[in-house]
Amino acid sequence: DSGVTQTPKHLITATGQRVTLRCSPRSGDLSVYWYQQSLDQGLQFLIQYYNGEERAKGNILERFSAQQFPDLHSELNLSSLELGDSALYFCASSVTPGAEAFFGQGTRLTVV
Amino acid sequence: AQSVTQLGSHVSVSEGALVLLRCNYSSSVPPYLFWYVQYPNQGLQLLLKYTSAATLVKGINGFEAEFKKSETSFHLTKPSAHMSDAAEYFCAVSPNNNDMRFGAGTRLTVKP
Repeated sequence: DSGVTQTPKHLITATGQRVTLRCSPRSGDLSVYWYQQSLDQGLQFLIQYYNGEERAKGNILERFSAQQFPDLHSELNLSSLELGDSALYFCASSVTPGAEAFFGQGTRLTVV
Repeated sequence: AQSVTQLGSHVSVSEGALVLLRCNYSSSVPPYLFWYVQYPNQGLQLLLKYTSAATLVKGINGFEAEFKKSETSFHLTKPSAHMSDAAEYFCAVSPNNNDMRFGAGTRLTVKP
């Protein structure tokens, strides 16, 4: 158990819909990362937060947004969903940016 | 841009044979480097990390990696493969102690 909790574990939704993925980092970790893993794109970095502030941005679509709350949990919002958004979404946390990251079990999103 | 390249998307070895998974990085500054392992339907788990201390880094499950600045490499090795080592392995770089970028991954198959 990495100490990083992601909910829900599985999500099935229709195209055009909006979903929210939630991540609780390990106790004491201030930095949260979001990654998307799909068969054709591999593990893609989406966005990183540190202590509530956006720290780095990767290949995150404009339809996606995220935030980190004062209690350090983070949410990833995916809107206007397309079939191609079906993937595993991972959250990871670390004490500081760039330190070893601990991963959650992921949320498997299926868009139908 | 800082990145890592993993040579070989699939590697197959016999049980008991040497495991060698290759990773080359590009970074204009000394990076932090990591190897992660992902078992089926699970999140990523840290195997080992290089943070500019010793160039030979020992990790969990008998794995080790050597940082070679002249070759910009951080290859992962294990002297004797076990069936339980079958998984996907990711090399990652954290330049400037900021976000973490992953390679495309190498799927290791271990034959009995």
